[in-house]
Amino acid sequence: DAGVIQSPRHEVTEMGQEVTLRCKPISGHNSLFWYRQTMMRGLELLIYFNNNVPIDDSGMPEDRFSAKMPNASFSTLKIQPSEPRDSAVYFCASWVGPRTDTQYFGPGTRLTVL
Amino acid sequence: SQQGEEDPQALSIQEGENATMNCSYKTSINNLQWYRQNSGRGLVHLILIRSNEREKHSGRLRVTLDTSKKSSSLLITASRAADTASYFCATDASDYKLSFGAGTTVTVRA
Repeated sequence: DAGVIQSPRHEVTEMGQEVTLRCKPISGHNSLFWYRQTMMRGLELLIYFNNNVPIDDSGMPEDRFSAKMPNASFSTLKIQPSEPRDSAVYFCASWVGPRTDTQYFGPGTRLTVL
Repeated sequence: SQQGEEDPQALSIQEGENATMNCSYKTSINNLQWYRQNSGRGLVHLILIRSNEREKHSGRLRVTLDTSKKSSSLLITASRAADTASYFCATDASDYKLSFGAGTTVTVRA
């Protein structure tokens, strides 16, 4: 298995532009998480999907952030419009589901908003 | 919010030495996990210890858990350059949510 795949690995954009981050979870995993990592705030959970349904989006910073999971093998995190304070590393993690414990992280997307 | 807090924030050791880092948390847990993050990479799961366990081993890793003190430690024995990474503890904040600490950055000098 290739593990969790994220693209792009690096993204540099200008303030106000739309940014779309992509994730392909491990096949057979029912749950998917989007995290954001910054030096100031550490690793924060943004949103949790189970069986393609958003279960907990309480960590999504504001309306500029949206996430979708149209099918079991693909998810997107969109920021529109982007701001410099959105600069961070965004991780996607997949999970077999409740009553199992290990989350499998992708390599992350390093986003820089100028 | 971060439930786990690692200590120290950074650690520099010589290759072959042991590295110990600690994690404290605030609320009751079902389990505690340790993850490693190499520079520029995602987190990799190392070991999980359940609340009814006191000690667990995996290769050169030893994890202890003291639920009365709400703390855990991770010991890496006979460190190698490849152990240079950040190490995070994570507690189960809910059925699905993990709460990560700020991490301990370990540098192993050759």
